[in-house]
Amino acid sequence: DAKTTQPPSMDCAEGRAANLPCNHSTISGNEYVYWYRQIHSQGPQYIIHGLKNNETNEMASLIITEDRKSSTLILPHATLRDTAVYYCIVRYPNQGGKLIFGQGTELSVKP
Amino acid sequence: DGGITQSPKYLFRKEGQNVTLSCEQNLNHDAMYWYRQDPGQGLRLIYYSQIVNDFQKGDIAEGYSVSREKKESFPLTVTSAQKNPTAFYLCASSLGQGSYQPQHFGDGTRLSIL
Repeated sequence: DAKTTQPPSMDCAEGRAANLPCNHSTISGNEYVYWYRQIHSQGPQYIIHGLKNNETNEMASLIITEDRKSSTLILPHATLRDTAVYYCIVRYPNQGGKLIFGQGTELSVKP
Repeated sequence: DGGITQSPKYLFRKEGQNVTLSCEQNLNHDAMYWYRQDPGQGLRLIYYSQIVNDFQKGDIAEGYSVSREKKESFPLTVTSAQKNPTAFYLCASSLGQGSYQPQHFGDGTRLSIL
């Protein structure tokens, strides 16, 4: 799996957009980008994934640069419940094994 | 609702005792996984199964055992051979090898030693 780099922590004001960056400069052509988040003492929650195109679902938007070396997860209107550790992961779809969770970004949404 | 159910939420083990953690999914997923998470650490893969009656060791399988007799169930036994079992255990499932669909996780079981 390609190595990812994320800032260790970020703050965001409630109601504002939270933009979480991820660098994956060694990503290979068929590796997907996945985002998960983990709220303390809970299991990781899947948020969104993509290959080349930008993606949007009810939780977030994923913007992948044209060279695919970085991506940004956007929470359009952050709430206090979005406070969590956010993980960016890249992997091949035909890998039968593990997800490699790095250190992630600890997002604090403040009133 | 479809999802992954792990039980119990909290579990205590005495020295020398085997304990079994339950994981059930009703998502009709072929693949199931067990991870371990220690405080402040990432997830480490213990075992995974791509299909019924088949499973493979992950990175830290020593001291653990699993079975996959039914598609929806993948129990994990923490044996007395696991010398440092205190951790947060997470079960996940996905559509299986070759799919780009993501793994989905249960809410975990926290195991402690008495």
